[in-house]
Amino acid sequence: ILNVEQSPQSLHVQEGDSTNFTCSFPSSNFYALHWYRWETAKSPEALFVMTLNGDEKKKGRISATLNTKEGYSYLYIKGSQPEDSATYLCANQAGTALIFGKGTTLSVSS
Amino acid sequence: DAGITQSPRHKVTETGTPVTLRCHQTENHRYMYWYRQDPGHGLRLIHYSYGVKDTDKGEVSDGYSVSRSKTEDFLLTLESATSSQTSVYFCAISEGRTYEQYFGPGTRLTVT
Repeated sequence: ILNVEQSPQSLHVQEGDSTNFTCSFPSSNFYALHWYRWETAKSPEALFVMTLNGDEKKKGRISATLNTKEGYSYLYIKGSQPEDSATYLCANQAGTALIFGKGTTLSVSS
Repeated sequence: DAGITQSPRHKVTETGTPVTLRCHQTENHRYMYWYRQDPGHGLRLIHYSYGVKDTDKGEVSDGYSVSRSKTEDFLLTLESATSSQTSVYFCAISEGRTYEQYFGPGTRLTVT
């Protein structure tokens, strides 16, 4: 089992704050690291798939970095908005399947 | 949105009864997955399929079986439902290039 750990478990910020979360995964036999956004009462939606050490990807105000040598990825949200409130999941790819972390739940107050 | 539907969307059943959940896709993707979502556990993989009649177990496969007789349908069966199988079940599909997954709307199953 390629355990994935995410921290913090939950986070509450004010509108306009920038924030970041951490995803840790085993650095051996690495294939890819996925990030998903999961809003309440909806289904998870893919944000990024990252494969190369040093990868940095961006989608609007959300960006992610990857360090495969030390086994971690950071997700950054710049200028948080209430609509960013969601659970953010990372997943380690094991062959053709994904092993998900338990997620970081972000709450943004206006 | 990827064309994935799940049926039923909600089901209440009694302990010991068989239950089958269906996942249907219109994307012709090769890979299909079943997850369960429980508080404190996130998403856990039950079974997955890498082609018609080709399936494999995930991390929480005990008490579940699957079948895939055609590309578009992936069935999850609880042979004899238990209360510990009360959960929300999500189906996902992937075309296999990046293995990025697209999720269905989920099925809420309650076993009384």
